[in-house]
Amino acid sequence: NAGVTQTPKFRVLKTGQSMTLLCAQDMNHEYMYWYRQDPGMGLRLIHYSVGEGTTAKGEVPDGYNVSRLKKQNFLLGLESAAPSQTSVYFCASKIAGGASEAFFGQGTRLTVV
Amino acid sequence: GEDVEQSLFLSVREGDSSVINCTYTDSSSTYLYWYKQEPGAGLQLLTYIFSNMDMKQDQRLTVLLNKKDKHLSLRIADTQTGDSAIYFCAELAGNTGKLIFGQGTTLQVKP
Repeated sequence: NAGVTQTPKFRVLKTGQSMTLLCAQDMNHEYMYWYRQDPGMGLRLIHYSVGEGTTAKGEVPDGYNVSRLKKQNFLLGLESAAPSQTSVYFCASKIAGGASEAFFGQGTRLTVV
Repeated sequence: GEDVEQSLFLSVREGDSSVINCTYTDSSSTYLYWYKQEPGAGLQLLTYIFSNMDMKQDQRLTVLLNKKDKHLSLRIADTQTGDSAIYFCAELAGNTGKLIFGQGTTLQVKP
């Protein structure tokens, strides 16, 4: 029972490079989220999705794109990485509705130099 | 827009009660949550409260919700060193599925 799996766990990018972070969940959850965590800033929502084929902007969407082509996968793309995107990225998923837990992945530590 | 605010740090002695506070702005919030994050790990749900409730108790945890003031608190009774972690308040915004977190409160428990 894998839960929420993020790939990769660590990555170092040069400024201007692109990359895609993959989030996969095996719980048939409708909702999926991408957050970034920075010291003193808590978790800030980048983008989220409430179902296959749908995405929406969160609090800090600039510089990121997402896709949800399959229900179980939520991809976060950085087209042209910047040092300000150095952060720990967390993916989460939950069933639709409020009385349910959001399950988190273990995080991806991204450094942009 | 939605915003969730928490104080950043709380220090208590082992055996004391801890109270972590949170304020939010979205009056259409349906559910409010408390999550715990231990070092190097993801977040885990501690408890949640529906917006039409005032209080919820779960063993050592008591959640109080003042909907008028948009204020949420988490009380941990008999705080232990194993409770040292970062605690996040979160709200589910209206019917959009948008889940917004606060900055997190670091709880330090001294022996």
